[in-house]
Amino acid sequence: DSGVTQTPKHLITATGQRVTLRCSPRSGDLSVYWYQQSLDQGLQFLIQYYNGEERAKGNILERFSAQQFPDLHSELNLSSLELGDSALYFCASSVEHRSGNTIYFGEGSWLTVV
Amino acid sequence: AQTVTQSQPEMSVQEAETVTLSCTYDTSESDYYLFWYKQPPSRQMILVIRQEAYKQQNATENRFSVNFQKAAKSFSLKISDSQLGDAAMYFCACSGSARQLTFGSGTQLTVLP
Repeated sequence: DSGVTQTPKHLITATGQRVTLRCSPRSGDLSVYWYQQSLDQGLQFLIQYYNGEERAKGNILERFSAQQFPDLHSELNLSSLELGDSALYFCASSVEHRSGNTIYFGEGSWLTVV
Repeated sequence: AQTVTQSQPEMSVQEAETVTLSCTYDTSESDYYLFWYKQPPSRQMILVIRQEAYKQQNATENRFSVNFQKAAKSFSLKISDSQLGDAAMYFCACSGSARQLTFGSGTQLTVLP
């Protein structure tokens, strides 16, 4: 158990719909990362938050957005869903100091768009 | 920005033998970290080993060790005394100043009984 909690574990939804994925980082970790793993594009970095502020953006679509709340949990919102958005979405967290930048992953949220 | 290359899509090893998975990377940063993650059929991403670029000593975690060649930008993973439970997809990854990970395409390891 990495200590990173993601909900829901599985989600099936229709095209055009909107879903929210939730992540609780490990206790004490200030950074939260979101990754997408799909068959054709591998593991892709989407976005990073540090202590409530957006730190870095990767290949995140405009239809997707995220935020990190004061209690450090994070949500990834996916809207106007398309079949190609079906993927495993990982949240990860780290404490971020020089000797301890280890990034731990949650178990992922499986999203199936039908 | 970083790039990570894993040139071996698949590898196999006999149980109890040793196997080495290759990884090369490229980065313009002087302060970076390298990782190997394991993804078993459950799809969970499990950290195997971590290496800080400023440390010359190769990291070791039980049966897992790395060969970090900084000048060659190479970061291979050696698994000794391979066990059936080691069968998984292994990803090499690099993180720089922004700390997010850039992953390679992965190597699928099969352990033969």
